[in-house]
Amino acid sequence: SAVISQKPSRDICQRGTSLTIQCQVDSQVTMMFWYRQQPGQSLTLIATANQGSEATYESGFVIDKFPISRPNLTFSTLTVSNMSPEDSSIYLCSVEAVTGPEAFFGQGTRLTVV
Amino acid sequence: GQNIDQPTEMTATEGAIVQINCTYQTSGFNGLFWYQQHAGEAPTFLSYNVLDGLEEKGRFSSFLSRSKGYSYLLLKELQMKDSASYLCAVRDDYGGATNKLIFGTGTLLAVQP
Repeated sequence: SAVISQKPSRDICQRGTSLTIQCQVDSQVTMMFWYRQQPGQSLTLIATANQGSEATYESGFVIDKFPISRPNLTFSTLTVSNMSPEDSSIYLCSVEAVTGPEAFFGQGTRLTVV
Repeated sequence: GQNIDQPTEMTATEGAIVQINCTYQTSGFNGLFWYQQHAGEAPTFLSYNVLDGLEEKGRFSSFLSRSKGYSYLLLKELQMKDSASYLCAVRDDYGGATNKLIFGTGTLLAVQP
């Protein structure tokens, strides 16, 4: 199984500011995924981060709001830009298993925007 | 469109059996997953079905019918620690370009003594 380190684990931010979330994996992976989980809801895919190319965003999510970097096969960042209270959520990083079909998740970043 | 439906909440008794249903309509299909998520924690993988039938893993079993767009997760000999959200997710295969997971809303299971 993959070990995913995600940080920060939580943060409280002022509206209008930006927060960058880091995701480090202990093995090389082709694709990394960023999800959002709003309070009491399930996971929604924000984007797929591929090494060496621009991230692929899902409907309703744009690069200006959620810029993503993927400098190598073990690391990615997600930035939540110009935050508003509606961005308060848990953000999770995910990777696919190398030897199996399942996905593994980081512990998540609990973001509160005030 | 993409649609995955699960009951919002369920309650069961310790030691009993509970079945959590999931129906799906997606543009592609490359497997169905069940995840367990305790409050404040990341989802953890429980099971995977890509062919029709039943997959058993200890106290947990998962069933898939692709023709009906239907799956269920069966939990036996319920324990208090099984109280959690159970997420059904479908891997949507865009011709292999990206195998993203589409999640249902999750079922919050409460196990009572």
